[in-house]
Amino acid sequence: KAGVTQTPRYLIKTRGQQVTLSCSPISGHRSVSWYQQTPGQGLQFLFEYFSETQRNKGNFPGRFSGRQFSNSRSEMNVSTLELGDSALYLCASSLPGAGDGYTFGSGTRLTVV
Amino acid sequence: QQQVKQSPQSLIVQKGGISIINCAYENTAFDYFPWYQQFPGKGPALLIAIRPDVSEKKEGRFTISFNKSAKQFSLHIMDSQPGDSATYFCAATPKTSGSRLTFGEGTQLTVNP
Repeated sequence: KAGVTQTPRYLIKTRGQQVTLSCSPISGHRSVSWYQQTPGQGLQFLFEYFSETQRNKGNFPGRFSGRQFSNSRSEMNVSTLELGDSALYLCASSLPGAGDGYTFGSGTRLTVV
Repeated sequence: QQQVKQSPQSLIVQKGGISIINCAYENTAFDYFPWYQQFPGKGPALLIAIRPDVSEKKEGRFTISFNKSAKQFSLHIMDSQPGDSATYFCAATPKTSGSRLTFGEGTQLTVNP
């Protein structure tokens, strides 16, 4: 079956702009989580959505937001981009549960210049 | 208290050798401990996971050892192969946090032929 699909794969944005990233989960998976991966901070949890509701949120500023649609697809948005937002943004989908069956997409590489 | 500390940061092993990566945690509410493998340009992929009610779990060449009293767990890769060269992350999550994973810093494993 198809895995987790993230689009776009690569993105270059200018400081101050905003960006929207998309994630299509595995069919049947209703939980979608987002992570930021950087060389300095590693993998950090952004937020989790389940049934169109944010169930969990990490320690990121309000410039980072997300949403989930009725078909479980999810988007995350970063407004007023800063250089430090340059990272690999990973989406993971799972059946509801404590991390079980987590499948990650290949990520969106965001570069802020 | 949410941290997971991972060591070593990098590891070089000869083909056929044993690779050992260690993790320690503080939060006693953690009750699911997965290991992920990540190749360049890809998202992390679940390798093997354990719950604290068992002290060891083996899947093929990969074994997790778990010491609940010491709050430590480790990944052993037997008969290491060049194809195992990747970055490995330990992670942990408490049952109450949904699908929120706390990751270790990662270990870059190189297996020389």
